[in-house]
Amino acid sequence: SQTIHQWPATLVQPVGSPLSLECTVEGTSNPNLYWYRQAAGRGLQLLFYSVGIGQISSEVPQNLSASRPQDRQFILSSKKLLLSDSGFYLCAWTVNADTEAFFGQGTRLTVV
Amino acid sequence: DQQVKQNSPSLSVQEGRISILNCDYTNSMFDYFLWYKKYPAEGPTFLISISSIKDKNEDGRFTVFLNKSAKHLSLHIVPSQPGDSAVYFCAAKYSGNTGKLIFGQGTTLQVKP
Repeated sequence: SQTIHQWPATLVQPVGSPLSLECTVEGTSNPNLYWYRQAAGRGLQLLFYSVGIGQISSEVPQNLSASRPQDRQFILSSKKLLLSDSGFYLCAWTVNADTEAFFGQGTRLTVV
Repeated sequence: DQQVKQNSPSLSVQEGRISILNCDYTNSMFDYFLWYKKYPAEGPTFLISISSIKDKNEDGRFTVFLNKSAKHLSLHIVPSQPGDSAVYFCAAKYSGNTGKLIFGQGTTLQVKP
């Protein structure tokens, strides 16, 4: 069966520090991968998606970047965190564009 | 521009009664709709979906209704149970768009024993 792993679960980082969140999917190949963010009291906003290795599309301009170095690995990064980067970050995957997405457990990021 | 809207931030229902969560959308290109359930500090869990070629889909206690002319969908939970208390997100997507989901703001459902 397919599983998705996302870590860390919680993270407190100072302003200006770098960020690296990792997500891996098991039990499938060539998944579509996504990074979403849920800000406090808000819905889920799509940040990045990838349909293949090295292919990254950004949905909103921001202080973050994403990379997909391997088929089932998706990384969310920042060189210098801002206070506004605080939120709940979720990685998700789909078999293809026409199926439901499955989410990881999320990372609570607090920038102080 | 909020393409998917859940206008009710919260809903409180008595155990055993019906819960009805509503969702409106503006983009007529959406052809697939989903409902997710989310507990605090966890990722959303897929509940049920419906294709735009249907107007109803049922899975156990959960039924989703789609009214394309009104650009409206709803999730019915019957009977409601205290374990159903969570945040429910409506999401939509359209074919050929890499599977990207557009989410509503969510509705917090509280089912009282």
